[in-house]
Amino acid sequence: QVQLVESGGGVVQPGRSLRLSCAASGFTFSTYSMHWVRQAPGKGLEWVAVISYDGSDKYYADSVKGRFTIFRDNSKNTVYLQMNSLRAEDTAVYYCAREVGGLANSPFDYWGQGTLVIVSS
Amino acid sequence: DIQMTQSPSSLSASVGDRVTITCQASQDISHYLNWYQQKPGKAPKLLISDASHLETGVPSRFSGSGSGTDFTFTISSLQPEDIATYSCQHFDHLPFTFGPGTKVDIK
Repeated sequence: QVQLVESGGGVVQPGRSLRLSCAASGFTFSTYSMHWVRQAPGKGLEWVAVISYDGSDKYYADSVKGRFTIFRDNSKNTVYLQMNSLRAEDTAVYYCAREVGGLANSPFDYWGQGTLVIVSS
Repeated sequence: DIQMTQSPSSLSASVGDRVTITCQASQDISHYLNWYQQKPGKAPKLLISDASHLETGVPSRFSGSGSGTDFTFTISSLQPEDIATYSCQHFDHLPFTFGPGTKVDIK
């Protein structure tokens, strides 16, 4: 069965960096675009970034552009989110999600359980 | 960016009641609209895609309709296990934006 397992969250000081990982199993990872979506405490969902199946295309929300980088290693069935220059407003649960088909033109059919990032001094 | 609004923000209904949630997009998104269910402490679950397509395994009491800018999500007969927050999301173009969510609980 499809599984997405995030890791790497934790408490980090403002201005520091953190790298999140999302390990995939149960499907052919290298054929799917993958997204990161976050949810601040008590708030709605916010799309963060997407990467194409082969890593050649990447897009970001304006709120993270220039600070976050999405990348993937298809040999390890893992997608990453490198988060630099973290701010208090980046505090959220971060989910990885699989896109049904294509790149940025279809729903997210599987989600991980999320990993919590807290940015605080 | 396309803004998504939902109403109501929360509702309380009895078991067996019909529940309706509306979602409005700030511009025409055709049928590119999904509905997700999120239970407390859990990841979102895709219920309906393309405005009205019920995902495999999702109970038939859930349904969606609409196109353009106005969409509706309905639970025909509310069940205790439907307690959750329901969010719409457009996928017309990036950035995909979500509605603020509607929290549904049992009266």
